[in-house]
Amino acid sequence: IQLTQSPSLLSASVGDRVTLSCKGSQNINNYLAWYQQKLGEAPKLLIYNANSLQTGIPSRFSGSGSGTDYTLTISSLQPEDVATYFCYQYNNGLTFGSGTKLEIK
Amino acid sequence: EVQLVESGGGLVQPGRSLKLSCAASGFTFSNYYMAWVRQAPKKGLEWVATISTSGSRTYYPDSVKGRFTISRDNAKSSLYLQMNSLKSEDTATYYCARQRRYNNYPHYFDYWGQGVMVTVSS
Repeated sequence: IQLTQSPSLLSASVGDRVTLSCKGSQNINNYLAWYQQKLGEAPKLLIYNANSLQTGIPSRFSGSGSGTDYTLTISSLQPEDVATYFCYQYNNGLTFGSGTKLEIK
Repeated sequence: EVQLVESGGGLVQPGRSLKLSCAASGFTFSNYYMAWVRQAPKKGLEWVATISTSGSRTYYPDSVKGRFTISRDNAKSSLYLQMNSLKSEDTATYYCARQRRYNNYPHYFDYWGQGVMVTVSS
């Protein structure tokens, strides 16, 4: 399964509601995770099984979607959220999307 | 606290071999699938290998199948990646990751090490 993330670059203001998209080439059956990678750091798990929040992750992060289309939402963007976000599917093979780089406007 | 610490990276010539290690602590290592994920410079993430709890099952993408071998030593809480016939396109940061499973099928990665750099160049 190939994953297409959009946009590749997103610029938003502190406090904005931000939505990142991930589309699969086939049905993912909610076997989708989201990772946050800050510059120079390892990826960190945010969301698994499409909408389950990983322990310790702020509640402003949420995941949704079904079938082939999934979304990561940040309800109120904070400066520390500057990072690249990757989606990852484990329904058929194990593949990552190409990432969305999130910047502060 | 879960900790994963990789070692063994460096500069290696094309066609040569290199073995990476990952020392795990803070959890019962033998209860978890483990994996390697790599990231080429300024590129995205690519899953490289997964191993089951006992080591009896291993999984690889086509890009490394037949060249890379993942293994583990549960007594030492250690994970390994033997990389043979290295190519320039294998240049990347290699991350050790703990992997969750469901019905014995690999799922998502919930903890990652800080990574180790491997450069394949003459």
